[in-house]
Amino acid sequence: AQKVTQAQTEISVVEKEDVTLDCVYETRDTTYYLFWYKQPPSGELVFLIRRNSFDEQNEISGRYSWNFQKSTSSFNFTITASQVVDSAVYFCANNAGNMLTFGGGTRLMVKP
Amino acid sequence: NAGVTQTPKFQVLKTGQSMTLQCAQDMNHEYMSWYRQDPGMGLRLIHYSVGAGITDQGEVPNGYNVSRSTTEDFPLRLLSAAPSQTSVYFCASRLDTSSYNEQFFGPGTRLTVL
Repeated sequence: AQKVTQAQTEISVVEKEDVTLDCVYETRDTTYYLFWYKQPPSGELVFLIRRNSFDEQNEISGRYSWNFQKSTSSFNFTITASQVVDSAVYFCANNAGNMLTFGGGTRLMVKP
Repeated sequence: NAGVTQTPKFQVLKTGQSMTLQCAQDMNHEYMSWYRQDPGMGLRLIHYSVGAGITDQGEVPNGYNVSRSTTEDFPLRLLSAAPSQTSVYFCASRLDTSSYNEQFFGPGTRLTVL
C-alpha cells in the first residue's frame, strides 16, 4: 500500500521568504510517479509537477523547485521569494497503478 | 474543452436520502475517478474506472456506487446518505491508465448531510 506523509499541516511566512514543503512517501513499487498539486482558496486542484521514480534530477520552474531523493523517500517542494498568491494548500501524491494516493496537505499562508 | 465538469456545486441532504453526483469530461479520457476531501486527510479515492463498463473500488468505497456507461460520464451515487459522507467530492480524469499521466480535476461538489 502507498502512503504519503506531509508532516507540516500549516506554514506561515512573510512575503519574499523562501519556504520548503516536505513530502515523504512509502511504496513497495519500483515504478511510481510523484506529483504536486496546488489548491488555492477557490478550491480547484492544479497540477504542478510530476517526477518518475527513475529520475532523481531536481527541477526548477521559475520560483518553484523540487528535490527528489529516493534514498530518503522524499520529494520536497521549495518556493523561493514567496508571494501572497502562493497562499494555498499543497498536496503531494504518489501514483502507482490505478491508485493516486495523496498526503494530508500543507496549508501555506504568505502574509504581506 | 470544458474539461471535467461536476454538478451540483453544493448540496444539502438529510440522513437516508439518496442522490447522484454528476461528472462529465470532454477530453476522451479513458480513466475517471472520484475522491472525497476531508480536513487534514487529503483526498481519498472512492471508486475509479479504466473505461466504459469497467469500475473498481478505491480506498473508501463503502456507501457509494458508480457505473460508467459512456466514456464521458461517471456518476457517483449515494444510496442512503449518512453524516459521515459530509465532504467535498472531486471527480477527476486522465488520458489512460498510465501512472505517468496527471489527473485533471473538476471544481468539486460540497455535500452536507444533516
